[in-house]
Amino acid sequence: AQSVAQPEDQVNVAEGNPLTVKCTYSVSGNPYLFWYVQYPNRGLQFLLKYITGDNLVKGSYGFEAEFNKSQTSFHLKKPSALVSDSALYFCAVSPNTGFQKLVFGTGTRLLVSP
Amino acid sequence: ETGVTQTPRHLVMGMTNKKSLKCEQHLGHNAMYWYKQSAKKPLELMFVYNFKEQTENNSVPSRFSPECPNSSHLFLHLHTLQPEDSALYLCASSQETGGFQETQYFGPGTRLLVL
Repeated sequence: AQSVAQPEDQVNVAEGNPLTVKCTYSVSGNPYLFWYVQYPNRGLQFLLKYITGDNLVKGSYGFEAEFNKSQTSFHLKKPSALVSDSALYFCAVSPNTGFQKLVFGTGTRLLVSP
Repeated sequence: ETGVTQTPRHLVMGMTNKKSLKCEQHLGHNAMYWYKQSAKKPLELMFVYNFKEQTENNSVPSRFSPECPNSSHLFLHLHTLQPEDSALYLCASSQETGGFQETQYFGPGTRLLVL
């Protein structure tokens, strides 16, 4: 069965500094990987996804993520954090067999301080 | 706005009440999903509908009853809930469930409190 781990409950970073939110996955076969963001009192918003091809995926709001097959990781990154990036971030994985069934991590709260 | 709306946004109900959550998507998608989001836990997939047919029931108690009258609307009927059912209930849609790379788009959720 597939699973996702987000090892950090919270990540703190100062505005203007680079940020990384970690995600590792376990799935049979090649994975499809997703990042979503959730702002307070809102649903999840899609940020980016990895399907195939270039290991570096660029998404919304200046975020990017790097797929590393050997380390089974898909870390979310941004070169320069904004206070408005403070939110809850979810990594999710879907196998490429059967029907799409997204499995989510527990989420990482990102807090960007001014 | 993602094109997926949910009503009501907040709901308080007693354990003997019957209520319904509504989800509507304006994206022309064919698959719709119900998720439960509880604090400190991963999102739990509850039900999946593809072209109005239920394709997944993730061992959800019968006090939750989904209904999908067409590809644009999804309901979750609630009856005799328990306090541990208090959570944020999220609806999502995608083009269809067979496309593994497809993105799911989420509504804002209904915050449910069971007293």
